[in-house]
Amino acid sequence: DSGVTQTPKHLITATGQRVTLRCSPRSGDLSVYWYQQSLDQGLQFLIQYYNGEERAKGNILERFSAQQFPDLHSELNLSSLELGDSALYFCASSVVTGHTEAFFGQGTRLTVV
Amino acid sequence: GNSVTQMEGPVTLSEEAFLTINCTYTATGYPSLFWYVQYPGEGLQLLLKATKADDKGSNKGFEATYRKETTSFHLEKGSVQVSDSAVYFCALSDSNSGNTPLVFGKGTRLSVIA
Repeated sequence: DSGVTQTPKHLITATGQRVTLRCSPRSGDLSVYWYQQSLDQGLQFLIQYYNGEERAKGNILERFSAQQFPDLHSELNLSSLELGDSALYFCASSVVTGHTEAFFGQGTRLTVV
Repeated sequence: GNSVTQMEGPVTLSEEAFLTINCTYTATGYPSLFWYVQYPGEGLQLLLKATKADDKGSNKGFEATYRKETTSFHLEKGSVQVSDSAVYFCALSDSNSGNTPLVFGKGTRLSVIA
């Protein structure tokens, strides 16, 4: 158990809909990262937050957004969903930014039908 | 920019065979290097790490040595088991850019058959 909790584990939704994925980082970790894992794209970095502020942005679509709350949990919002958004979405956390390992949650498997 | 290249899979080995998964990197600074493992249906777990040149990371019989001269961090295990079947990801974290997240390779799927 990494200590990072993601909910829900599975999500099935229709095209055009909006979903929210939730992540609780390990106790004491200030940084939260979101990654998308699909079969053909590997593990793609989406966005990073540190202590409530956005720190880095990767290949995140404009239809996607995220935030980190004062209690350090984070939410990833995916809207106007398309079939191609079907993937595993991972949250990871670390104590500080850069030069350190991150601990991953078990992921949310999103299926868009 | 920073990047990680690892050998394409899948790799299929018999139990007790020797394993090597190649990983090379490009980084602007002095990165830390990691190997993560993803077992079926699970998230990524840190397998081992090395934070400076010539460091050797090791865990569960796996080893990797940080080679700055060849910009490599190859994963090795002397005798694989069926339970090692998983996807292995090489990754780096660049200490010169304090805000960068981990950069991953595309992953190498290992299947070990009895």
